[in-house]
Amino acid sequence: GENVEQHPSTLSVQEGDSAVIKCTYSDSASNYFPWYKQELGKRPQLIIDIRSNVGEKKDQRIAVTLNKTAKHFSLHITETQPEDSAVYFCAASINAGGSQGNLIFGKGTKLSVKP
Amino acid sequence: DADVTQTPRNRITKTGKRIMLECSQTKGHDRMYWYRQDPGLGLRLIYYSFDVKDINKGEISDGYSVSRQAQAKFSLSLESAIPNQTALYFCATSDPLREQETQYFGPGTRLLVL
Repeated sequence: GENVEQHPSTLSVQEGDSAVIKCTYSDSASNYFPWYKQELGKRPQLIIDIRSNVGEKKDQRIAVTLNKTAKHFSLHITETQPEDSAVYFCAASINAGGSQGNLIFGKGTKLSVKP
Repeated sequence: DADVTQTPRNRITKTGKRIMLECSQTKGHDRMYWYRQDPGLGLRLIYYSFDVKDINKGEISDGYSVSRQAQAKFSLSLESAIPNQTALYFCATSDPLREQETQYFGPGTRLLVL
């Protein structure tokens, strides 16, 4: 089955710097890659996702890149702010013919943004 | 997101006790999921249901059972709780036809098994 590895497990950056979180997946059939943000004591919420027919997607300060050949995808946060501090989870699934596969999550990255 | 609710929010129980965690949603989604979150282990799927008549085991179903009482309700039971089931439990919903693959999580239930 699918396996998703996420690195680093913790990341500390200064406010204004960029942060990058990387994930690798094992099943080449995976074609949907979401990122969820979980603030302390809160529920995970989707912040951005990418499908395998796209190499990069941006939403303001957040971007995700996908390298299908290498089977890895990354989350990039620019101009980090204290409110970006949270645990970030990557995930992968196989969606085919309108049928959504289950999400397999990475173990999470705790991002701390220091003022 | 008040559309997905979980009860109780916190629960302390003893080894061997039966406990039920409940999830309700007003989003009208057919698909519902139960996940377990442990520090450093991410979110792991326990059970999932694509409709009222469809129940499937996830990655870590041993020691758990579920019931899909209606489209809006999905309950998780621990028949005989053990300490290593101490964790944060999340319910989630999705509707691929209307909202693509996004999963909406409930607020979580923090369970402590003594």
